Amino acid sequence: QSVLTQPPSASGTPGQRVTISCSGSSSNIGSNTVNWYQQLPGTAPKLLIYSNNQRPSGVPDRFSGSKSGTSASLAISGLQSEDEADYYCAAWDDSLSWVFGGGTKLTVL
Amino acid sequence: QVTLKESGPVLVKPTETLTLTCTVSGFSLSNARMGVSWIRQPPGKALEWLAHIFSNDEKSYSTSLKSRLTISKDTSKSQVVLTMTNMDPVDTATYYCARIVTAMADRWFDPWGQGTLVTVSS
Repeated sequence: QSVLTQPPSASGTPGQRVTISCSGSSSNIGSNTVNWYQQLPGTAPKLLIYSNNQRPSGVPDRFSGSKSGTSASLAISGLQSEDEADYYCAAWDDSLSWVFGGGTKLTVL
Repeated sequence: QVTLKESGPVLVKPTETLTLTCTVSGFSLSNARMGVSWIRQPPGKALEWLAHIFSNDEKSYSTSLKSRLTISKDTSKSQVVLTMTNMDPVDTATYYCARIVTAMADRWFDPWGQGTLVTVSS
């Protein structure tokens, strides 16, 4: 069972906006920044959002992140078929370990 | 270009010790702002963090696996090695290494290696 809680699945149609939530606690999300990773089928995870809301070079601005208290969210606007993937949130925990969410499988209908 | 590549056995027997090597290029393991982490993913399941090491030899381990893990680095060879003792079939997973980038108090994994699938079976 993962320390951070994500919905197991999410879906949307092309062009729609979808959000994926990530819930933690005061020792992880509440006191450290959140990162998001995208894992396309059969590939390694790739950094999507870091420091709560920063996009690495090359990541489309359709992807955005936010954090409030002990929860964070990833929003994808203008959904595209190539966005179909698994999405993971992660954060450093004050117990001196990294924690991940259980992953959310995004389906583009 | 920063790359990381995992290497090691594809099959290990129960009770054996697994040794994995992460060879990095495009950055130095002596860089104060960077470290390397190991993360695994059982087939069809979520990511699980295992351990990390930084340039100053700061190490940290997963609480649940701490007794079985050892992480080390050879800066001259640009390699980070993870050993996991007493392997069990539940340890079957794809094992990834990833660079840790730090900025102020923030840290993130970027990029990740391609991963190596390790199967534990007799």
